Amino acid sequence: DAGVTQSPTHLIKTRGQQVTLRCSPKSGHDTVSWYQQALGQGPQFIFQYYEEEERQRGNFPDRFSGHQFPNYSSELNVNALLLGDSALYLCASSYGQGQETQYFGPGTRLLVL
Amino acid sequence: DQQVKQNSPSLSVQEGRISILNCDYTNSMFDYFLWYKKYPAEGPTFLISISSIKDKNEDGRFTVFLNKSAKHLSLHIVPSQPGDSAVYFCAALYNFGNEKLTFGTGTRLTIIP
Repeated sequence: DAGVTQSPTHLIKTRGQQVTLRCSPKSGHDTVSWYQQALGQGPQFIFQYYEEEERQRGNFPDRFSGHQFPNYSSELNVNALLLGDSALYLCASSYGQGQETQYFGPGTRLLVL
Repeated sequence: DQQVKQNSPSLSVQEGRISILNCDYTNSMFDYFLWYKKYPAEGPTFLISISSIKDKNEDGRFTVFLNKSAKHLSLHIVPSQPGDSAVYFCAALYNFGNEKLTFGTGTRLTIIP
């Protein structure tokens, strides 16, 4: 049973570019959440998708957007990249409610130069 | 505004002894708390949780204590094992079912053989 998978594992971009990160949830899960973890910090909630709609959003600008597909996989898009967007981006999946069932992927390490 | 704080960035404990990791929070609306463990190059893994209606929850070697009046929780690991060496994150949420996790900055635990 595959867990949460994310691609790519690492990515290097330059300021002003756009990036798309991908996440496949654990089998049977229908909810995907995205988090940003800057160096030395805890993960910060970006947004959550359920039934192909954004259900909750954290304090991130509109440059951060997402999508969920009918197979529950999800994408995170970041436009007009800034140096401060360099971070580890984590995807977590769950089924319905219940935090203890939230499973995290290994993350995508994004470096903006 | 850091609503969940882990004031010890690192902790070293002898194998077999007790490890105590601490976490403080400021938002009295939080009603559910979780601990996650993170190894390098992996996503956070759920460890143990506690509802605000309880003051203790135990799972094998792991016990979480909650002191609501002090807005403080702690994770006890006994006995500590080398495989426990990892970064531990405290996380909180309110209105259980609202799945936006607020994380602390983490404590790096090193178990000395």
